[in-house]
Amino acid sequence: RKEVEQDPGPFNVPEGATVAFNCTYSNSASQSFFWYRQDCRKEPKLLMSVYSSGNEDGRFTAQLNRASQYISLLIRDSKLSDSATYLCAVKNTGGFKTIFGAGTRLFVKA
Amino acid sequence: DVKVTQSSRYLVKRTGEKVFLECVQDMDHENMFWYRQDPGLGLRLIYFSYDVKMKEKGDIPEGYSVSREKKERFSLILESASTNQTSMYLCASRDTSYEQYFGPGTRLTVT
Repeated sequence: RKEVEQDPGPFNVPEGATVAFNCTYSNSASQSFFWYRQDCRKEPKLLMSVYSSGNEDGRFTAQLNRASQYISLLIRDSKLSDSATYLCAVKNTGGFKTIFGAGTRLFVKA
Repeated sequence: DVKVTQSSRYLVKRTGEKVFLECVQDMDHENMFWYRQDPGLGLRLIYFSYDVKMKEKGDIPEGYSVSREKKERFSLILESASTNQTSMYLCASRDTSYEQYFGPGTRLTVT
């Protein structure tokens, strides 16, 4: 089983839709959680960190569920420009590495 | 803004050549990383460094080595390039909140 798993998608949604991605992690000692966005043929860029109480940045909401060991990303009012691959990432307590999921592809269509 | 730069965006090398990929960050981060990214395989960690002259193997270090002589610079070396090392190579640095910042990547083709 992979340490961090994501549904690869693709998710195809119309503009204006709300879409949610989940990311599960296997190590209960995980301490830090992130969502990155990667456009085609570009580098990943940090979208947002995920805090224990959940956090929001405009149309984006991230949540952490420690009991079930997953993080989620909700995108409201999807825009064409939201089309990208979304990677989750987890940093474990006591470990050095950040573990990345393989990504979920999102296509937003007019 | 954090800036991570990589020496080349595109590189074409022949099998058996020694290849140097350089990465420079300007935010005084201690931690730096080299990944390769291939379709369907996601990001795979090759090597990382937690301080100057310190380096550790990642998940796929075979065929690679690294050098970190200065804090801002982390180099990846392919000792003898092979066709299966054709890939996108991404460098990253990480801050004390564990947020990672990636360079633009080097798309390496080995023929």
